[in-house]
Amino acid sequence: DGGITQSPKYLFRKEGQNVTLSCEQNLNHDAMYWYRQDPGQGLRLIYYSQIVNDFQKGDIAEGYSVSREKKESFPLTVTSAQKNPTAFYLCASSILGGRDPYNEQFFGPGTRLTVL
Amino acid sequence: AQSVTQLDSQVPVFEEAPVELRCNYSSSVSVYLFWYVQYPNQGLQLLLKYLSGSTLVKGINGFEAEFNKSQTSFHLRKPSVHISDTAEYFCVAYSGAGSYQLTFGKGTKLSVIP
Repeated sequence: DGGITQSPKYLFRKEGQNVTLSCEQNLNHDAMYWYRQDPGQGLRLIYYSQIVNDFQKGDIAEGYSVSREKKESFPLTVTSAQKNPTAFYLCASSILGGRDPYNEQFFGPGTRLTVL
Repeated sequence: AQSVTQLDSQVPVFEEAPVELRCNYSSSVSVYLFWYVQYPNQGLQLLLKYLSGSTLVKGINGFEAEFNKSQTSFHLRKPSVHISDTAEYFCVAYSGAGSYQLTFGKGTKLSVIP
């Protein structure tokens, strides 16, 4: 089955610790995205990557870092500089190009991070 | 700047009743619109999309939406809801202007009451 996997589903960390969230896709998609979801806020884009070894900041990149060493993997690190990291984190991927003006973003199941 | 407004944060409705979830957008450029659904503690799933053509768009699970350019609206409707429709629904816009970023509304939680 093709899809996007995120691990772990739930993550607890102490304040001040860095933590890395995993996102893997076997859809052969070019682009990958990280979103943060807070109650009543919708989704906000943290980072996105269109190609291996390249990524761009989204609307709320401060306190986060990413890497894209492989096409299928796009891990997100929540650093100690992120002032309010407790949230639900969603990873997505999509193809690029094609005839459709919109290439659907497919979402993973999410990781709920709680900082104690 | 593009924005999406979902007018209701929560909508309770009895089972088998009709429902409408309201969405308004603002944009000075061509816009593509979508509705995504999120079941509890899961990722988002595309429900339907409007790219061009017919303003009435049909999606999965019996949902449909109507694009109204003059009112800048894209309301989601279902004639008869089921318990399984209980979820959060997001109205989303994409400008398509060389950007890969989506603009999300804040979501509407639909609660279907048995």
